[in-house]
Amino acid sequence: GQNIDQPTEMTATEGAIVQINCTYQTSGFNGLFWYQQHAGEAPTFLSYNVLDGLEEKGRFSSFLSRSKGYSYLLLKELQMKDSASYLCAAMDSNYQLIWGAGTKLIIKP
Amino acid sequence: ETGVTQTPRHLVMGMTNKKSLKCEQHLGHNAMYWYKQSAKKPLELMFVYNFKEQTENNSVPSRFSPECPNSSHLFLHLHTLQPEDSALYLCASSQEAQGGYNEQFFGPGTRLTVL
Repeated sequence: GQNIDQPTEMTATEGAIVQINCTYQTSGFNGLFWYQQHAGEAPTFLSYNVLDGLEEKGRFSSFLSRSKGYSYLLLKELQMKDSASYLCAAMDSNYQLIWGAGTKLIIKP
Repeated sequence: ETGVTQTPRHLVMGMTNKKSLKCEQHLGHNAMYWYKQSAKKPLELMFVYNFKEQTENNSVPSRFSPECPNSSHLFLHLHTLQPEDSALYLCASSQEAQGGYNEQFFGPGTRLTVL
């Protein structure tokens, strides 16, 4: 079957760095997405990886290893506004997104 | 209006009621999606429309009935729902439903409570 695993909850300190891991098993693979969702709001797109390696976008970076079925989202210089759920989703051979349950990130001062 | 809008934002209904959720996208996209989001569970894809044609129905019970009159509008008609249908219903759109890089843009959702 198809499956996405990511931690349920993580806590980090303002100004620090946090890495949110995601492992996936899908029928075929057409890329890995990360979305951010603040409580009561819509998910918003953060990143897309289809090739191995690291993609950097400001304070956020996303990494993909296709051979390991593994991705991570790296958040640097954490701010209180980064408190949110982070959703990992892999696109399968039918171009459907298979979603993880999300990682709730709590930032403490 | 910009992006993806959904109405109503909150809905409380009894099990015998009939109601409809509305989604509108102002992005010129050709694909639209309905998702169900329950607490601590992955997003569940319900329906996909690509160029107004339904391309996916993920074994959704018939008490949920989608309608896509054009590429900009999507409805979800609800009738005789069950309490376990209470969830956040999210609408999304993308350029099309096929193709690799296909970022989905989400609406704010409708929080549905079934009594």
